[in-house]
Amino acid sequence: GQQLNQSPQSMFIQEGEDVSMNCTSSSIFNTWLWYKQDPGEGPVLLIALYKAGELTSNGRLTAQFGITRKDSFLNISASIPSDVGIYFCAGQLSTSGGYNKLIFGAGTRLAVHP
Amino acid sequence: DGGITQSPKYLFRKEGQNVTLSCEQNLNHDAMYWYRQDPGQGLRLIYYSQIVNDFQKGDIAEGYSVSREKKESFPLTVTSAQKNPTAFYLCASSITRRGPEHPNQPQHFGDGTRLSIL
Repeated sequence: GQQLNQSPQSMFIQEGEDVSMNCTSSSIFNTWLWYKQDPGEGPVLLIALYKAGELTSNGRLTAQFGITRKDSFLNISASIPSDVGIYFCAGQLSTSGGYNKLIFGAGTRLAVHP
Repeated sequence: DGGITQSPKYLFRKEGQNVTLSCEQNLNHDAMYWYRQDPGQGLRLIYYSQIVNDFQKGDIAEGYSVSREKKESFPLTVTSAQKNPTAFYLCASSITRRGPEHPNQPQHFGDGTRLSIL
């Protein structure tokens, strides 16, 4: 079945540093999504990417939809302590029945040292 | 405020017992989903429903059941047949894709229910 490889698994950085994480797949997706999950809570949508090559920013976050439609990256600039959490990528594809199926990466756990 | 409400926040199951997790949304979304999350792993799809009175199995449906009698509600029952039910369960909803001219709408999540075995 479809799988997403998300890396790195975890990162421990100093406050103020920039962060980069990415997801790759052997499958083609028509949408890429990036979510952040805090402990004990549900994932919150950060950025949605709909077109190959699309580069989108949301404050200090920037994400890109790869040209091949098989990969995406997320960058966080000037990290702050509240950036701590688990970041998930998700590739979305449409099934023949019109259902939008999400395939999730295993997550990148981010720790920020003040 | 519009959103997805999951209850309870924590749930304990005894051996041989069925338990039901609640998911309610007031976003007027057509589609609803249930995921299971285990430590260090991504989310895996249990069941989904695109419309009232219809639902489909996801990747790990064995030992679970659902119903969709109302648009706003999509309860998940963890049956005694599910031998490893300890996990964090997440409900999500989204607007159903209207056609190729409309972008795929992302799924939005509730805050989850943590299920443990007594």
